[in-house]
Amino acid sequence: GQNIDQPTEMTATEGAIVQINCTYQTSGFNGLFWYQQHAGEAPTFLSYNVLDGLEEKGRFSSFLSRSKGYSYLLLKELQMKDSASYLCAVRDSNYQLIWGAGTKLIIKP
Amino acid sequence: GAVVSQHPSRVICKSGTSVKIECRSLDFQATTMFWYRQFPKQSLMLMATSNEGSKATYEQGVEKDKFLINHASLTLSTLTVTSAHPEDSSFYICSARDFDRGENSPLHFGNGTRLTVT
Repeated sequence: GQNIDQPTEMTATEGAIVQINCTYQTSGFNGLFWYQQHAGEAPTFLSYNVLDGLEEKGRFSSFLSRSKGYSYLLLKELQMKDSASYLCAVRDSNYQLIWGAGTKLIIKP
Repeated sequence: GAVVSQHPSRVICKSGTSVKIECRSLDFQATTMFWYRQFPKQSLMLMATSNEGSKATYEQGVEKDKFLINHASLTLSTLTVTSAHPEDSSFYICSARDFDRGENSPLHFGNGTRLTVT
């Protein structure tokens, strides 16, 4: 079966750095996405990885290792507004998106 | 950037009535739109894939006669929850991809509709 695993909840301190991991087992791979979702709102796109390596976009970076079925989202200089759920999603060989359950990130002052 | 507009954002209806949710791509054409459902503290669950000019493709376990999808134009898809019951209360989200930006372009989501059936 297809499976996306990410931690249910993480806590970090304002101004610090946090890494949210995502491991996947899917039938084929056509890219991995990270989305941010604030409570009661729709997800917003953060990053996309299809090749191995690190993609940096401001305070957020996303890393992919296809051989390990592994990705992480790195958030630097954490702000209170970063408190949200972070969803990892993988596009399989049929171009279907497989979603993780999301990681709830709690930022403390 | 690509914008998807979803309406209404919140709706409360009585059990047995029907509710229509609209999803519009504002600045791009969407031959395909996706309808998701999300329960509290859970991830997105794909309900159906809406195809312009043809029948929607429903995921296993989703009743097509209960969740009617119409995709009459390249910029509009509608989801109608028929004979709604309290267990249909949920957060419904539509999304679309701007295929002109390539197959690897991300999904753009509407703001979601919070449906409460009393």
